[in-house]
Amino acid sequence: SQQGEEDPQALSIQEGENATMNCSYKTSINNLQWYRQNSGRGLVHLILIRSNEREKHSGRLRVTLDTSKKSSSLLITASRAADTASYFCATDAYNNDMRFGAGTRLTVKP
Amino acid sequence: EAQVTQNPRYLITVTGKKLTVTCSQNMNHEYMSWYRQDPGLGLRQIYYSMNVEVTDKGDVPEGYKVSRKEKRNFPLILESPSPNQTSLYFCASRGLGYTDTQYFGPGTRLTVL
Repeated sequence: SQQGEEDPQALSIQEGENATMNCSYKTSINNLQWYRQNSGRGLVHLILIRSNEREKHSGRLRVTLDTSKKSSSLLITASRAADTASYFCATDAYNNDMRFGAGTRLTVKP
Repeated sequence: EAQVTQNPRYLITVTGKKLTVTCSQNMNHEYMSWYRQDPGLGLRQIYYSMNVEVTDKGDVPEGYKVSRKEKRNFPLILESPSPNQTSLYFCASRGLGYTDTQYFGPGTRLTVL
């Protein structure tokens, strides 16, 4: 069964605005990862946050993790049209098994 | 260049005709897996492998087989494809460290008529 669930399912914003996507999961994890997918193409790894970390930054990306609430958020600041894609969270459990959510479809309008 | 390759990238076939989708990685990764992606369902894991000759079922293994005879290769076999296996398939690999990220292949779009 799916582990991560992203929220919202779809998000539409204007260029320059910030985009926030959330992910909830069910079981204990080693780490949580965010991926990006352009339409019909392979997934590209964006950022990994370990279970003992609370916040991580990479360029315009900011990820938070709250293990007590079993949730994570991905913030993309100053969004660009090129950020238009689907974003997935994936949980990495202690058995090295990864589970993906259904994704958030982000549209950034120029 | 580190990569995961899949072949073919596109395939149209008919019900019942056995097919194999190949997957190969050049990063010496222990862990390899297959996912299928369907609209609104995200990625669902079909099978995964922790190492050579070690394979396990994922969430949706019915109708699929895999083998891991070599570390770099992890083919997906559909013995008797059916229309409900029409999907976009991704192969992925990674190491077994706690912070290892997963690398994905470019995807195989399969249509079963």
